[in-house]
Amino acid sequence: AQTVTQSQPEMSVQEAETVTLSCTYDTSESNYYLFWYKQPPSRQMILVIRQEAYKQQNATENRFSVNFQKAAKSFSLKISDSQLGDTAMYFCALPSYNQGGKLIFGQGTELSVKP
Amino acid sequence: EAQVTQNPRYLITVTGKKLTVTCSQNMNHEYMSWYRQDPGLGLRQIYYSMNVEVTDKGDVPEGYKVSRKEKRNFPLILESPSPNQTSLYFCASSDFPGSQETQYFGPGTRLLVL
Repeated sequence: AQTVTQSQPEMSVQEAETVTLSCTYDTSESNYYLFWYKQPPSRQMILVIRQEAYKQQNATENRFSVNFQKAAKSFSLKISDSQLGDTAMYFCALPSYNQGGKLIFGQGTELSVKP
Repeated sequence: EAQVTQNPRYLITVTGKKLTVTCSQNMNHEYMSWYRQDPGLGLRQIYYSMNVEVTDKGDVPEGYKVSRKEKRNFPLILESPSPNQTSLYFCASSDFPGSQETQYFGPGTRLLVL
């Protein structure tokens, strides 16, 4: 079975500092995608970044980058120069391949950026 | 602008009064899906559609119906809502069936059933 685990329910960071959110997963697939979604207080689900498993290079989107360790099945999100607008719940997600295409989400990490 | 829209965004209703939550995407995506999000339970898939006229049950389909008559629209129907269907609902779409591509989410619909 495919699983996604986020072991940090809550984190906080000072504005302008860097924070890393952890995610581990399990899948028997050799080629797959991984995603980080952000859910701010508005509750909308917003894609932050995605990684393709066959690509060795870690994905980067502006201040957001990932550390993808395929062998360890680890997919952490690094936020640099944290901003107040980064305050949100962050979900790591893995697409299922035999369960109707649903996304399998981790439990979420609630990030607070403090001024 | 590429987007998934949902209406209404907020809805308060009473038990047993049929309602429909609409979902529309303008990205020509084949795959569409409905999720509900509840505290402590995360996001759970209700129904999904691989293409027009092709729909199937997700993890929690009881009490819900869907239809996919056009590629862009995927309405969620609650024939006889009950309080346990109070939740935050998301519609999502992606390019290819099986969702190996990115799923884009609508803004969410907050439903309260009294």
